[in-house]
Amino acid sequence: DAKTTQPNSMESNEEEPVHLPCNHSTISGTDYIHWYRQLPSQGPEYVIHGLTSNVNNRMASLAIAEDRKSSTLILHRATLRDAAVYYCVQHQGGSEKLVFGKGTKLTVNP
Amino acid sequence: NAGVTQTPKFQVLKTGQSMTLQCAQDMNHEYMSWYRQDPGMGLRLIHYSVGAGITDQGEVPNGYNVSRSTTEDFPLRLLSAAPSQTSVYFCASSRQGARQPQHFGDGTRLSIL
Repeated sequence: DAKTTQPNSMESNEEEPVHLPCNHSTISGTDYIHWYRQLPSQGPEYVIHGLTSNVNNRMASLAIAEDRKSSTLILHRATLRDAAVYYCVQHQGGSEKLVFGKGTKLTVNP
Repeated sequence: NAGVTQTPKFQVLKTGQSMTLQCAQDMNHEYMSWYRQDPGMGLRLIHYSVGAGITDQGEVPNGYNVSRSTTEDFPLRLLSAAPSQTSVYFCASSRQGARQPQHFGDGTRLSIL
């Protein structure tokens, strides 16, 4: 079964880069990796997703290891508004199911 | 665009009562899904639908029913509520499938006494 593992919490300082790790050792060749974030009392918000190569968008970058068993979400310059719970999510290829990890609570210090 | 709208935002039920959680989207999305979120846990998939008339089970479907008679609506039914179903419920939609970015509603906080 698909499963992702993330640290429970991380801290960062404002305007510094943040690297959020995720292990997904059971990933198969067609499984996508997604990242979502959730602010208190809100639904999750899409951040980024990818399959094999590194991906960039206006919010973040996603670095996927060559063996695809781990990935890292990179916030290039953390702001106070980036404080949230970040979820690493595995899309089970061949199905229409997403499997969420337990999330990393990111604290950004001013 | 309203996006994904969930109603009600809060609800308290007694054990054994039935209830329907509503979810509507105005983006003409084919894929819709329901998750529950419990303290310290990530989101767990309950049911999903890839289009009108098609539904399937997720990771934790027991105790919940769904139907998809229109593209816009995807209600979640609790036939006989149990305290173990106390949770926050999120509905999500995407243009086509789980691979694409999901748009989430703001959730329904449900307490079963």
